[in-house]
Amino acid sequence: GIQVEQSPPDLILQEGANSTLRCNFSDSVNNLQWFHQNPWGQLINLFYIPSGTKQNGRLSATTVATERYSLLYISSSQTTDSGVYFCAVEKSQGAQKLVFGQGTRLTINP
Amino acid sequence: SAVISQKPSRDICQRGTSLTIQCQVDSQVTMMFWYRQQPGQSLTLIATANQGSEATYESGFVIDKFPISRPNLTFSTLTVSNMSPEDSSIYLCSVLTAYEQYFGPGTRLTVT
Repeated sequence: GIQVEQSPPDLILQEGANSTLRCNFSDSVNNLQWFHQNPWGQLINLFYIPSGTKQNGRLSATTVATERYSLLYISSSQTTDSGVYFCAVEKSQGAQKLVFGQGTRLTINP
Repeated sequence: SAVISQKPSRDICQRGTSLTIQCQVDSQVTMMFWYRQQPGQSLTLIATANQGSEATYESGFVIDKFPISRPNLTFSTLTVSNMSPEDSSIYLCSVLTAYEQYFGPGTRLTVT
């Protein structure tokens, strides 16, 4: 099946810092989504981004489908950004199901 | 988008018993899924809940252990049967809208 690798596995930053999270995938995809899992376990949709660039406030994402990677940028981090960030992909010409990476655990210290 | 609710939100169960988790969506959806998230791990797909037919299970998951019902386009249940401590996880319901999957708040299960 398709492989999804996220890096780094852990990231600890001070409030106000910027960060870049990476997602590599092993095959062409129909769907790529970024999620934030908050400390209560809720998965929050951040971006649907199988290709191109999107921005939403302090967050932006870029997917280069031809090179099979996606980046999530967080600027001016706040403590509420803490949690686990997951990348999930749906393989092209496959069943409509998401395969998740192992996540990046982000800790923002005040 | 979709608004998804799950019941119960959490439970503590004895080994050998079964628990049924309910998932309700605020709109009709074709595709519904059940995921498991073991402590400190990522999400793993258990099965796709098909309306009007048997669920489609992923490798490593079987119907006897995780029976699923999908009586209509807004509701599904997952039963965790004959539980053991290894079943302690968060179980999440998910739906596919036009392009994106959305997730319910999860059911946090502890088996003692």
